[in-house]
Amino acid sequence: QSALTQPASVSGSPGQSITISCTGTSSDVGGYNYVSWYQQHPGKAPKLMIYEVTNRPSGVSNRFSGSKSGNTASLTISGLQAEDEADYYCSSYTSSSTVLFGGGTKLTVL
Amino acid sequence: EVQLVESGGGLVQPGGSLRLSCAVSGFVFSDYWMSWVRQAPGKGLEWVANIEQEGSDKYYVGSVKGRFTISRDNAKNLLYLQMNSLRAEDTALYYCGRVRFSGSPLDSWGQGTLVTVSS
Repeated sequence: QSALTQPASVSGSPGQSITISCTGTSSDVGGYNYVSWYQQHPGKAPKLMIYEVTNRPSGVSNRFSGSKSGNTASLTISGLQAEDEADYYCSSYTSSSTVLFGGGTKLTVL
Repeated sequence: EVQLVESGGGLVQPGGSLRLSCAVSGFVFSDYWMSWVRQAPGKGLEWVANIEQEGSDKYYVGSVKGRFTISRDNAKNLLYLQMNSLRAEDTALYYCGRVRFSGSPLDSWGQGTLVTVSS
């Protein structure tokens, strides 16, 4: 199975909103509401930001939100802050009971 | 506090073997699925394997099937990844992670252990 498709990079200015897309197939993203998003700062372990498409773990800012339409999921970050600059990865459960990650998106806060 | 600590990484020659361990604390280990995820230097995340609470159900990414084995010891709060027939493309930082059930995300991660496959 191929990785889920994410844009390689996105950027935005402080205070703006950005959206990162994650495209899969009906056998993964489109078939299950088990899409998650992770944030990874350089040299650090990933951190769960969104699970089951739209849910935020305790402690994650409500500036982070998730959605899904068909085979594409999205992560939106509103009110961009400098600390949001990081790599972001989507993941999805698949029909083979495995997990697929996206290729990752580098977010630059200008 | 939930803690996951990986160990066992190192330099190994192509074709060699290595066993990674993940020691967990701060939660009831036997209540959770567990996962291994790897990240090659400068690359993205790749899910490697999952194991259910009792260790009977296991799933692997295609590229490691038949070479890697995930296992666990609930009495010792330890997760393992036995890696055989290692290849250069297995070089990566290997993370263990906690999973509530198959399909749910990794909600806690270790800091990773580095595996380098090179002659």
